Amino acid sequence: QLQLQESGPGLVKPSETLSLTCTVSGDSVSNINYYWGWIRQPPGKGLEWIGSIYYTGGTYYYPSLESRVTISVDTSKNQFSLRLNSVTAADTAVYYCAKLPLDGDYVDLWGQGTLVTVSS
Amino acid sequence: EIVLTQFPGTLSLSPGERATLSCWASQSVSSNYLAWYQQKPGQAPRLLIYGASSRATGFPDRFSGSGSGTDFTLNITRLEPEDSAVYHCQQYGSSPPTFGRGTTVEIK
Repeated sequence: QLQLQESGPGLVKPSETLSLTCTVSGDSVSNINYYWGWIRQPPGKGLEWIGSIYYTGGTYYYPSLESRVTISVDTSKNQFSLRLNSVTAADTAVYYCAKLPLDGDYVDLWGQGTLVTVSS
Repeated sequence: EIVLTQFPGTLSLSPGERATLSCWASQSVSSNYLAWYQQKPGQAPRLLIYGASSRATGFPDRFSGSGSGTDFTLNITRLEPEDSAVYHCQQYGSSPPTFGRGTTVEIK
C-alpha cells in the first residue's frame, strides 16, 4: 500500500530556505504512472498548489512561487523534495506531499502533512 | 488563473438530511476537470470526486458530483455524523491548478 511521509524542520527563519522531503513507501517514485507534488495550506485558509514533478525530473511550478521553488526527485532514496527560498511569515503552512495520477493535476493520495512555521 | 468560489461557507444540517455544496468557476473548466476533497479536522484532505462526477475509492454512493462548465455541485444524501468535514473543490483543467476556499459541513 503506497504511503507518503513528509519530513523536515518545523521552524524556519525569515529569509532562509524551507526544505522538506517526502519518502515514498509501498511503491517506486520511478513508477511511470504517477506524478508527485506539493500542496500547502496556511493556517485557517484554503489549499494552494506548489508544484509537481515526474520521475524523469520534469517539473511544473505555481507561477507566483516559481522564482523561489525547486522540486527534485531522488530515485535512489525513493524520495522527492521541496525547497522554497527567501521565506516569509506568509509561507507558514501545513505542507503536504502528494501523488498525482497521469490523467490530471489532482491528488489521489496525500501525505499526512507537516506544519512549517516561519519565525525568528 | 481560474478562481473557484464555494458556497455556502458553512452548512449546518441534521443526520439524514441532504447537503448541496456549490463550486463556481470564474471561467469554464476544461473537460470538466474538477475534483472534490473531504478534509476532517487535523487530517489531510482525501480525494472524493474527480472528473466532476467520478467517485473515488472508499466513498459510498451517498456522495455524488455533477456539473459542467462553470457550475459544479457536490451532493451528500442521508447525512451521517462522520460526514462532518470541510469539502474543497479544485479545478485541474487549466494551469495553474486552483482550489476553492472550502465549505464546512456541520452535522447537528
